[in-house]
Amino acid sequence: KAGVTQTPRYLIKTRGQQVTLSCSPISGHRSVSWYQQTPGQGLQFLFEYFSETQRNKGNFPGRFSGRQFSNSRSEMNVSTLELGDSALYLCASSFGPGNQPQHFGDGTRLSIL
Amino acid sequence: KQEVTQIPAALSVPEGENLVLNCSFTDSAIYNLQWFRQDPGKGLTSLLLIQSSQREQTSGRLNASLDKSSGRSTLYIAASQPGDSATYLCAVRSTGGFKTIFGAGTRLFVKA
Repeated sequence: KAGVTQTPRYLIKTRGQQVTLSCSPISGHRSVSWYQQTPGQGLQFLFEYFSETQRNKGNFPGRFSGRQFSNSRSEMNVSTLELGDSALYLCASSFGPGNQPQHFGDGTRLSIL
Repeated sequence: KQEVTQIPAALSVPEGENLVLNCSFTDSAIYNLQWFRQDPGKGLTSLLLIQSSQREQTSGRLNASLDKSSGRSTLYIAASQPGDSATYLCAVRSTGGFKTIFGAGTRLFVKA
């Protein structure tokens, strides 16, 4: 059974640009969550989608957005990139929200120059 | 607001030693608590999930306990091996808003 797939694995952008990251959940999983991991702040929750609806959002500016498609695949977008957006972005999927275990992908390493 | 703390931040032990990692949380209104390991540059690998109604879970050399009333969880690793070297993270899934809050992790190094 394939795990959570995140593309691309690595990305280099410059300030002011925008970026789109993709996440394909485990087959049958309908909930997708996104996290940002940095050395200073650790793992922080960005948002969660279930059945194409955003169920919750963390404390991030509006430059961070996401969406989920009917096949449960999800994308997150960051506009007007800042140096502080350099991080490992992790996606996790589960059967549903609430008490289901989350399974993580290997992440996308985003570097802002 | 849920806060999750992990102690110690780092730990170095000789191979074969049994060890305990600690996780504490401030709000007991949780769905579950999940332990993960993370290898450098990699994503998170799920180790154990404890539902709020459970007291412990076991998988191989790992045992995780949950005391929701005191806001504590422990991860016990028996007979540690160099391959256990990694960062261990606990994550609490709160019932309010379905947010998952992570601790800062414990970096474990097992010496051969």
